[in-house]
Amino acid sequence: DAKTTQPNSMESNEEEPVHLPCNHSTISGTDYIHWYRQLPSQGPEYVIHGLTSNVNNRMASLAIAEDRKSSTLILHRATLRDAAVYYCILIKIQGAQKLVFGQGTRLTINP
Amino acid sequence: DTAVSQTPKYLVTQMGNDKSIKCEQNLGHDTMYWYKQDSKKFLKIMFSYNNKELIINETVPNRFSPKSPDKAHLNLHINSLELGDSAVYFCASSQAGLAGVGEQFFGPGTRLTVL
Repeated sequence: DAKTTQPNSMESNEEEPVHLPCNHSTISGTDYIHWYRQLPSQGPEYVIHGLTSNVNNRMASLAIAEDRKSSTLILHRATLRDAAVYYCILIKIQGAQKLVFGQGTRLTINP
Repeated sequence: DTAVSQTPKYLVTQMGNDKSIKCEQNLGHDTMYWYKQDSKKFLKIMFSYNNKELIINETVPNRFSPKSPDKAHLNLHINSLELGDSAVYFCASSQAGLAGVGEQFFGPGTRLTVL
């Protein structure tokens, strides 16, 4: 099964961009890359997802490497409310459907 | 106005008991899920239901059984509770199935403590 690898923790300053990496070197051709985040004592919250092309939405951008073996979640201007655990998730749509979670990156934002 | 709601929020019980956690979504979604988050914060999918059909069943003990009386509800029944079942359980729903599209909306979680 394809797995994801993320740094355990990262730290950034308020109003600066944040780049959260995720490695998924064994990703399959039809695996989607999803990002969720979890604020303290809350359920996970969808951030963004993509397949091959880079994606932008109101929350973040997702940059996917050309070989799809890695991706980067970009928060363009971090705020204190962005402090959370960020999960990089592969969703397989071929064969047995499984969700494969990364261990998550705990993002700390300094004022 | 809550999109995905779970009850109860906290559940403390003794080993060997049988308990249920309820989940309701008012988003009109087709697919609902149950996740378990253990003390190390690893989040793992347990089940999902699409149109009353179980489409994912990860290797969870058969003491856990999802029951969906209708599209808006997916309840989790747990028999013969064990200490290792202590965790936070999250319900979620999405419009599409897991086929790569559609965000999942999560409930606030139910913290289960087995004594």
